[in-house]
Formats: sequence, C-alpha cells, structure tokens
Amino acid sequence: GAVVSQHPSRVICKSGTSVKIECRSLDFQATTMFWYRQFPKQSLMLMATSNEGSKATYEQGVEKDKFLINHASLTLSTLTVTSAHPEDSSFYICSARRDTYYEQYFGPGTRLTVT
Amino acid sequence: QKEVEQNSGPLSVPEGAIASLNCTYSDRGSQSFFWYRQYSGKSPELIMFIYSNGDKEDGRFTAQLNKASQYVSLLIRDSQPSDSATYLCAVTNTGNQFYFGTGTSLTVIP
Repeated sequence: GAVVSQHPSRVICKSGTSVKIECRSLDFQATTMFWYRQFPKQSLMLMATSNEGSKATYEQGVEKDKFLINHASLTLSTLTVTSAHPEDSSFYICSARRDTYYEQYFGPGTRLTVT
Repeated sequence: QKEVEQNSGPLSVPEGAIASLNCTYSDRGSQSFFWYRQYSGKSPELIMFIYSNGDKEDGRFTAQLNKASQYVSLLIRDSQPSDSATYLCAVTNTGNQFYFGTGTSLTVIP
C-alpha cells in the first residue's frame, strides 16, 4: 500500500500558540489530501479538503482562519492550528487520495494537547 | 438517513470463526467502496476496496458489493485476536466527497 507520513506524532503546546502539522505522501503524488479530527471514542470528522495549488474547502463549522491549510506540492499538505485553545486538543489525521480508485491512505495522526 | 450506515456493534466472534461486517449506503451514484481498520488510538488503515459488483478476495478478507441492494460487506475468515478493532466502511462517488460510517467494533475472543 501507499505510505503517508505525518509530523509531529505528538505535540503539547500552550494556549494561544500556533502549531503546524505536516502531511506527506511518500511514494505517490496526491492532488487531494484531507484533514480529519477525531475525539476519543468518536467517529472521524472531516475538517477540510486540500487540493494542490488551490484553496482548501472547509466543512461547515470549521473556522478557516483558525485551521490554516496549505497544499503547496503534490506530496505535502500542512495544517496550522492558530491561537490554539484547550478545546482544540484532539487527534488530527491527514489522508492522501490516490487517483486510481480514489482510495485514501491515512497518515499515522498527530495527537495535539493544548495546556 | 445517514449516507453510510453500519451496525456499531460490538460484534464478538470466537477465534477461528468468520466475522461478517455490513454496510449500507444511500447514494446510488457511489462508485468506490472501502473498508478501513482502526485500532484504538491509531489512524485508519485501508484493508480492502471494491468498485464492481461481486466478491473481491485478499488473503483472509473478502469484500462483497451489491449495488442493486446498496450494501457492501466484509468477511474476515479465520478471525484472529489481532483482528479486534473498529472497521470503517467508506464510499465515494467522484472521489472528492467521501462518506464514512461510524464503524463496527469487532472483538475476537481467544
């Protein structure tokens, strides 16, 4: 299968600071990447769809000014959580879509804790 | 009605048995169908995808798709304790919008 990496795997930051999470497709090019958030024992929640070279499409209720997404190349998308607050603490997971059958490959996730 | 529905479980099967996971979807235009496995605290892992009616086998896993009835299933033969996880069904039409089910929790009892 295809490999998607995510960095960092775990981050603790103070309230009010910003955190950047990187998502890379290592062995294929991905025109589309997705960003999800998952709270404990809950379902995946899609935050935004990231298309290379264009603005991300955010799901309803997701603040685009708070969660900045950049998809600068066919192998890299970044999510920046700006002015983080404790309620932003969650498991953030990216995925990259391969265009063969539209299958998504997920990164290992980033566990964010805001203190 | 949700786009994708799965029985949340928990589903318990003894080791060595066949586990059967089911998923129904509402969009008749759906083209590709996926099964992901998610261990607790980890991200989802793609284990199978299918796009035409019938069965697709990969090792101990068989995906079955019936577009007329709008369901897709996953069979796990010779279930192992390591198969204990949450299984997510996902469907897409154009590849830009994906719909995930809420997952079925499977426990394989040694």
